[in-house]
Amino acid sequence: DVKVTQSSRYLVKRTGEKVFLECVQDMDHENMFWYRQDPGLGLRLIYFSYDVKMKEKGDIPEGYSVSREKKERFSLILESASTNQTSMYLCASSQGGRDYGYTFGSGTRLTVV
Amino acid sequence: GQQLNQSPQSMFIQEGEDVSMNCTSSSIFNTWLWYKQDPGEGPVLLIALYKAGELTSNGRLTAQFGITRKDSFLNISASIPSDVGIYFCAGRGSGGSNYKLTFGKGTLLTVNP
Repeated sequence: DVKVTQSSRYLVKRTGEKVFLECVQDMDHENMFWYRQDPGLGLRLIYFSYDVKMKEKGDIPEGYSVSREKKERFSLILESASTNQTSMYLCASSQGGRDYGYTFGSGTRLTVV
Repeated sequence: GQQLNQSPQSMFIQEGEDVSMNCTSSSIFNTWLWYKQDPGEGPVLLIALYKAGELTSNGRLTAQFGITRKDSFLNISASIPSDVGIYFCAGRGSGGSNYKLTFGKGTLLTVNP
């Protein structure tokens, strides 16, 4: 069964900490994405990557960075966590081309205190 | 950028009732997708649509790709309690980053047994 695995289901971090959210996919997909999900706001794209070492900003990149050193792994980094970054974070991947949907991970619920 | 308007935002129905939800876009899409997110999980692909006018079913779910290519509809017949969750539409346009999806804000469905 193909999978997108997020390393943690729940995280609690302190304000100012540097936070790493890890995502691994086993489908050899070219594209990987990070979203955050908040009530009433839907899914908002933070960053995405269409190839190893390539990244593009999404709609809300401020306060975040990403790393894709290997094809299967896409990391989201909160440089200095703040309380307004408390959210559900979802990783997704897809094959190249127009006819493919995304496969999502189960999400990481991050609380910044 | 591209925007999707998904309605209704939420629905509260009795078990056995039929459900309809829709998405409209400000621009033409070449692909429409419908996802369901169970509580505490990531979204899962339900139905993918690739041609204007296409009507596709998956069990009790039926989705349509609008003729104008600017809208899509999802119907659920004879709802059951496990239909509870958030339903997202997503679309993909042409040109530019054509592997990137635009998501609606979701429809929260509650089914009363």
